[in-house]
Amino acid sequence: GNSVTQMEGPVTLSEEAFLTINCTYTATGYPSLFWYVQYPGEGLQLLLKATKADDKGSNKGFEATYRKETTSFHLEKGSVQVSDSAVYFCALSEWGANSKLTFGKGITLSVRP
Amino acid sequence: DTGVSQNPRHKITKRGQNVTFRCDPISEHNRLYWYRQTLGQGPEFLTYFQNEAQLEKSRLLSDRFSAERPKGSFSTLEIQRTEQGDSAMYLCASSLGSAVMSEQLFFGSGTQLSVL
Repeated sequence: GNSVTQMEGPVTLSEEAFLTINCTYTATGYPSLFWYVQYPGEGLQLLLKATKADDKGSNKGFEATYRKETTSFHLEKGSVQVSDSAVYFCALSEWGANSKLTFGKGITLSVRP
Repeated sequence: DTGVSQNPRHKITKRGQNVTFRCDPISEHNRLYWYRQTLGQGPEFLTYFQNEAQLEKSRLLSDRFSAERPKGSFSTLEIQRTEQGDSAMYLCASSLGSAVMSEQLFFGSGTQLSVL
């Protein structure tokens, strides 16, 4: 079956540090890949997505590239801010029409001023 | 567009009681999903609806769980004879239901269930 593996957390960084959060996946066919973010007290919201190999998703300074050869979708940001403190989930949706998501465990990011 | 609304936000119940949660999706969205999230884990798929039809159920959804979406608008998730293992955050999400595989899901803030 499909699965998503995220690096263990939590992660604590100083403001303006570089961020990488690793994500690898196992899937049949050609999944779409997503990063969702959950800010404190809020619901999950889409951060970025990529639908095919070598696509790069980007939003709010975050980027992730769909790497089919390494089955990875690592999230990066060049300079994090305190407001980026949240829980980040990597997810995939399998080929088909229902957009059902399979999530990783999530990782908590805390950014210190 | 008021977003996906879930009620109640919190529910505390005793083991063996029945509970019901409600989800109001974004008004023009045809698809509605239920997920369950436990501490330290990502959301796990439970079931989804296309309009009023329940098209898929996870094997996580035991026979004590039932979900409905009677008129293709709001949905309810009922858990009968609750067990302590049912304690979790129950998330609802909706989407347009287009043919696009990678369409965005919009999540509610969830209902936190505690079974004592």
